[in-house]
Amino acid sequence: GIQVEQSPPDLILQEGANSTLRCNFSDSVNNLQWFHQNPWGQLINLFYIPSGTKQNGRLSATTVATERYSLLYISSSQTTDSGVYFCAPPKDNQGGKLIFGQGTELSVKP
Amino acid sequence: DAGVTQSPTHLIKTRGQQVTLRCSPISGHKSVSWYQQVLGQGPQFIFQYYEKEERGRGNFPDRFSARQFPNYSSELNVNALLLGDSALYLCASSFPGQQETQYFGPGTRLLVL
Repeated sequence: GIQVEQSPPDLILQEGANSTLRCNFSDSVNNLQWFHQNPWGQLINLFYIPSGTKQNGRLSATTVATERYSLLYISSSQTTDSGVYFCAPPKDNQGGKLIFGQGTELSVKP
Repeated sequence: DAGVTQSPTHLIKTRGQQVTLRCSPISGHKSVSWYQQVLGQGPQFIFQYYEKEERGRGNFPDRFSARQFPNYSSELNVNALLLGDSALYLCASSFPGQQETQYFGPGTRLLVL
């Protein structure tokens, strides 16, 4: 099955800094989601991005499906951005069965 | 609109007991998936149900079972609990299709003593 690797595993930023999180996956995908898990455990949808680039406020994401990676950009980080970021393509390209990486734990200091 | 809801929020059980977790999907969503997240790891897929039929199962033992009801809500049952079953159990709903986006509930935290 598909393998997902995320880097870096941990990241500490000062408020206002920018960052790039990377997600590599082992097989071609037709679907990929990025999530933010807050300190209370809630998984919050950030992007559905099987290919191309999307932007939502200070966040943007790019997936290059042919090269099997996706990037999440966070600009002007805020303390509320702290938490764990996951990318998740579907198992066997079948929706509803997401395969998660280990995540990137982001800590934004004031 | 209400999001995905799960109950209970927290649960403490002892080894060998059985537990039932509940999930109500977003209105209009017909698919429910269950995930287990142990501390420090990403969620792992357990089951997906659509129209009351099992659509997929992850690498979990037969102690784990689930079902979906006509109103699309779902239950996850775990029998003969082990200490290693302590985890955050997440439910997600979606409307199956080409752009199937999963929306997650707040989870149930299960502690097995």
